Amino acid sequence: QPVLTQSSSASASLGSSVRLTCTLSSGHSRYIIAWHQQQPGKAPRYLMKLEGSGSQNKGSGVPDRFSGSSSGAERYLTISNLQSEDEADYYCETWDSDTRVFGGGTKLTVL
Amino acid sequence: EVQLVQSGAVVKKPGESLKISCQGSGYRFTSYWIGWVRQMPGKGLEWMGIIYPADSDARYSPSFQGRVTISADKSITTAFLQWSSLRASDTAVYYCVRPYDHWGQGTLVTVSS
Repeated sequence: QPVLTQSSSASASLGSSVRLTCTLSSGHSRYIIAWHQQQPGKAPRYLMKLEGSGSQNKGSGVPDRFSGSSSGAERYLTISNLQSEDEADYYCETWDSDTRVFGGGTKLTVL
Repeated sequence: EVQLVQSGAVVKKPGESLKISCQGSGYRFTSYWIGWVRQMPGKGLEWMGIIYPADSDARYSPSFQGRVTISADKSITTAFLQWSSLRASDTAVYYCVRPYDHWGQGTLVTVSS
Protein backbone atom coordinates (compact mmCIF):
# COMPACT_ATOMS: atom_id res chain seq x y z
CA GLN A 1 0.00 0.00 0.00
CA PRO A 2 1.41 3.42 -0.91
CA VAL A 3 2.22 5.99 1.78
CA LEU A 4 2.44 9.74 1.15
CA THR A 5 4.68 12.02 3.19
CA GLN A 6 4.19 15.78 3.43
CA SER A 7 5.84 18.43 5.57
CA SER A 8 3.45 19.57 8.28
CA SER A 9 3.89 23.27 7.62
CA ALA A 10 5.27 25.84 5.20
CA SER A 11 5.28 29.60 4.98
CA ALA A 12 6.01 32.23 2.36
CA SER A 13 5.43 35.92 1.82
CA LEU A 14 2.56 37.51 -0.03
CA GLY A 15 3.42 37.76 -3.73
CA SER A 16 6.23 35.21 -3.55
CA SER A 17 6.29 31.56 -4.63
CA VAL A 18 6.27 28.38 -2.60
CA ARG A 19 6.78 24.72 -3.51
CA LEU A 20 5.08 22.01 -1.49
CA THR A 21 6.32 18.43 -1.65
CA CYS A 22 4.55 15.09 -1.49
CA THR A 23 6.80 12.01 -1.39
CA LEU A 24 5.63 8.56 -2.43
CA SER A 25 6.85 5.55 -0.51
CA SER A 26 9.41 3.09 -1.87
CA GLY A 27 8.09 1.02 -4.75
CA HIS A 28 5.37 3.51 -5.57
CA SER A 29 7.34 6.22 -7.36
CA ARG A 30 5.29 5.98 -10.55
CA TYR A 31 1.95 6.56 -8.90
CA ILE A 32 -0.36 9.33 -10.00
CA ILE A 33 -1.41 11.74 -7.26
CA ALA A 34 -4.01 14.45 -6.80
CA TRP A 35 -3.53 17.73 -4.94
CA HIS A 36 -6.37 19.22 -2.90
CA GLN A 37 -6.68 22.55 -1.11
CA GLN A 38 -8.71 23.03 2.07
CA GLN A 39 -9.25 26.63 3.13
CA PRO A 40 -10.18 27.19 6.77
CA GLY A 41 -13.71 26.03 7.56
CA LYS A 42 -14.36 24.80 4.02
CA ALA A 43 -14.59 21.50 2.20
CA PRO A 44 -11.51 20.38 0.30
CA ARG A 45 -11.23 21.43 -3.33
CA TYR A 46 -9.55 19.47 -6.08
CA LEU A 47 -6.59 21.32 -7.63
CA MET A 48 -4.97 18.91 -10.05
CA LYS A 49 -3.98 15.40 -10.95
CA LEU A 50 -0.23 14.92 -11.39
CA GLU A 51 1.58 12.04 -13.07
CA GLY A 52 5.14 10.90 -12.62
CA SER A 53 5.96 12.39 -16.03
CA GLY A 54 4.89 15.79 -14.74
CA SER A 55 1.75 15.81 -16.83
CA GLN A 56 -1.02 17.59 -14.95
CA ASN A 57 -4.77 17.93 -15.25
CA LYS A 58 -6.14 20.92 -13.36
CA GLY A 59 -9.60 21.29 -11.94
CA SER A 60 -12.08 23.77 -13.27
CA GLY A 61 -11.36 27.32 -12.16
CA VAL A 62 -7.95 26.59 -10.64
CA PRO A 63 -5.76 29.66 -11.25
CA ASP A 64 -2.68 29.43 -13.45
CA ARG A 65 -0.65 30.36 -10.36
CA PHE A 66 -0.96 26.71 -9.30
CA SER A 67 1.27 24.26 -11.11
CA GLY A 68 2.55 20.76 -10.56
CA SER A 69 5.76 18.94 -11.35
CA SER A 70 7.41 15.60 -10.56
CA SER A 71 10.86 14.18 -9.92
CA GLY A 72 11.23 10.50 -9.09
CA ALA A 73 9.04 9.74 -6.10
CA GLU A 74 8.39 13.39 -5.38
CA ARG A 75 5.39 15.34 -6.52
CA TYR A 76 5.39 19.10 -6.20
CA LEU A 77 2.78 21.80 -6.01
CA THR A 78 4.10 25.26 -6.78
CA ILE A 79 2.04 28.33 -6.03
CA SER A 80 3.25 31.55 -7.60
CA ASN A 81 2.34 35.13 -6.68
CA LEU A 82 0.96 34.00 -3.34
CA GLN A 83 -2.34 35.53 -2.30
CA SER A 84 -3.89 35.69 1.14
CA GLU A 85 -6.58 33.21 0.07
CA ASP A 86 -3.89 30.62 -0.61
CA GLU A 87 -3.43 30.21 3.13
CA ALA A 88 -4.86 26.73 3.55
CA ASP A 89 -4.09 23.08 4.14
CA TYR A 90 -2.85 21.17 1.11
CA TYR A 91 -3.26 17.42 0.81
CA CYS A 92 -1.93 14.97 -1.70
CA GLU A 93 -3.79 11.75 -2.45
CA THR A 94 -3.00 8.56 -4.31
CA TRP A 95 -4.69 5.28 -5.05
CA ASP A 96 -4.41 1.80 -6.44
CA SER A 97 -6.88 -0.98 -7.11
CA ASP A 98 -7.38 -1.72 -3.41
CA THR A 99 -6.87 1.48 -1.52
CA ARG A 100 -6.84 5.25 -1.48
CA VAL A 101 -4.68 7.31 0.86
CA PHE A 102 -4.01 10.94 1.74
CA GLY A 103 -0.82 12.49 2.92
CA GLY A 104 -0.86 14.14 6.31
CA GLY A 105 -1.29 17.59 4.79
CA THR A 106 0.80 20.76 4.74
CA LYS A 107 -0.46 23.89 6.46
CA LEU A 108 0.60 26.88 4.34
CA THR A 109 0.88 30.25 6.03
CA VAL A 110 1.05 33.38 3.88
CA LEU A 111 3.10 36.01 5.70
CA GLU B 1 -22.23 20.61 -13.52
CA VAL B 2 -21.28 17.78 -11.20
CA GLN B 3 -22.68 18.28 -7.69
CA LEU B 4 -22.56 16.20 -4.53
CA VAL B 5 -25.05 17.43 -1.94
CA GLN B 6 -24.86 15.98 1.54
CA SER B 7 -27.40 15.78 4.33
CA GLY B 8 -27.25 18.26 7.19
CA ALA B 9 -25.41 18.31 10.50
CA VAL B 10 -26.61 15.94 13.18
CA VAL B 11 -26.17 15.48 16.92
CA LYS B 12 -26.47 11.97 18.30
CA LYS B 13 -25.87 10.13 21.56
CA PRO B 14 -23.37 7.29 21.97
CA GLY B 15 -24.92 3.97 21.00
CA GLU B 16 -27.41 5.48 18.57
CA SER B 17 -27.52 4.61 14.88
CA LEU B 18 -27.10 7.06 12.03
CA LYS B 19 -27.27 7.17 8.24
CA ILE B 20 -26.03 10.20 6.30
CA SER B 21 -26.45 10.77 2.60
CA CYS B 22 -24.82 12.24 -0.47
CA GLN B 23 -26.85 12.89 -3.61
CA GLY B 24 -24.99 13.12 -6.90
CA SER B 25 -26.20 15.06 -9.91
CA GLY B 26 -24.88 16.35 -13.21
CA TYR B 27 -23.25 13.07 -14.22
CA ARG B 28 -24.08 9.40 -14.75
CA PHE B 29 -24.22 8.24 -11.14
CA THR B 30 -23.73 4.56 -11.95
CA SER B 31 -20.54 5.12 -13.94
CA TYR B 32 -18.33 6.49 -11.16
CA TRP B 33 -17.13 5.28 -7.79
CA ILE B 34 -18.17 7.43 -4.85
CA GLY B 35 -16.55 7.38 -1.46
CA TRP B 36 -16.43 8.78 2.06
CA VAL B 37 -13.68 10.67 3.85
CA ARG B 38 -13.48 11.44 7.56
CA GLN B 39 -11.95 14.56 9.07
CA MET B 40 -11.79 14.58 12.84
CA PRO B 41 -11.55 17.95 14.60
CA GLY B 42 -8.26 19.63 13.76
CA LYS B 43 -6.98 16.60 11.90
CA GLY B 44 -6.28 15.49 8.35
CA LEU B 45 -8.30 13.59 5.76
CA GLU B 46 -8.83 9.83 6.02
CA TRP B 47 -10.34 7.59 3.37
CA MET B 48 -13.09 5.38 4.82
CA GLY B 49 -14.34 3.44 1.84
CA ILE B 50 -15.82 3.58 -1.60
CA ILE B 51 -18.71 2.10 -3.57
CA TYR B 52 -19.56 1.53 -7.22
CA PRO B 53 -23.27 2.34 -7.44
CA ALA B 54 -23.92 0.24 -10.54
CA ASP B 55 -23.42 -3.02 -8.62
CA SER B 56 -22.96 -1.81 -5.02
CA ASP B 57 -19.41 -3.18 -4.87
CA ALA B 58 -18.17 -1.58 -1.63
CA ARG B 59 -14.60 -1.54 -0.36
CA TYR B 60 -13.41 -0.34 3.00
CA SER B 61 -10.16 0.96 4.44
CA PRO B 62 -8.95 -1.47 7.13
CA SER B 63 -9.45 1.13 9.87
CA PHE B 64 -13.15 1.39 9.10
CA GLN B 65 -14.04 -2.18 8.07
CA GLY B 66 -16.82 -3.42 10.32
CA ARG B 67 -17.44 -0.02 11.87
CA VAL B 68 -19.45 1.57 9.08
CA THR B 69 -21.53 0.49 6.10
CA ILE B 70 -21.44 2.21 2.74
CA SER B 71 -24.37 1.76 0.40
CA ALA B 72 -25.96 3.39 -2.62
CA ASP B 73 -29.41 3.70 -4.15
CA LYS B 74 -29.00 4.32 -7.85
CA SER B 75 -32.71 5.07 -8.29
CA ILE B 76 -32.22 8.29 -6.32
CA THR B 77 -28.51 8.78 -7.20
CA THR B 78 -27.59 8.78 -3.53
CA ALA B 79 -24.79 7.21 -1.53
CA PHE B 80 -25.03 6.54 2.19
CA LEU B 81 -22.74 6.12 5.16
CA GLN B 82 -24.17 4.47 8.23
CA TRP B 83 -23.29 3.47 11.76
CA SER B 84 -25.17 0.97 13.91
CA SER B 85 -23.73 2.20 17.20
CA LEU B 86 -22.03 5.58 17.38
CA ARG B 87 -19.14 6.45 19.67
CA ALA B 88 -17.93 9.83 20.85
CA SER B 89 -14.83 9.25 18.70
CA ASP B 90 -17.03 9.28 15.58
CA THR B 91 -17.41 13.04 16.03
CA ALA B 92 -16.07 14.46 12.76
CA VAL B 93 -16.93 16.04 9.44
CA TYR B 94 -17.67 13.45 6.78
CA TYR B 95 -17.21 14.24 3.11
CA CYS B 96 -18.43 12.31 0.13
CA VAL B 97 -16.09 12.36 -2.83
CA ARG B 98 -16.34 11.33 -6.44
CA PRO B 99 -12.70 10.37 -6.79
CA TYR B 100 -10.70 12.31 -7.21
CA ASP B 101 -12.10 15.57 -8.39
CA HIS B 102 -15.47 16.34 -6.83
CA TRP B 103 -16.26 16.85 -3.15
CA GLY B 104 -19.48 17.23 -1.20
CA GLN B 105 -19.87 20.12 1.24
CA GLY B 106 -19.43 17.90 4.29
CA THR B 107 -21.69 16.66 7.10
CA LEU B 108 -20.79 17.42 10.72
CA VAL B 109 -21.62 14.51 13.00
CA THR B 110 -21.45 15.22 16.71
CA VAL B 111 -21.74 12.32 19.14
CA SER B 112 -22.18 13.42 22.72
CA SER B 113 -24.06 12.31 25.77
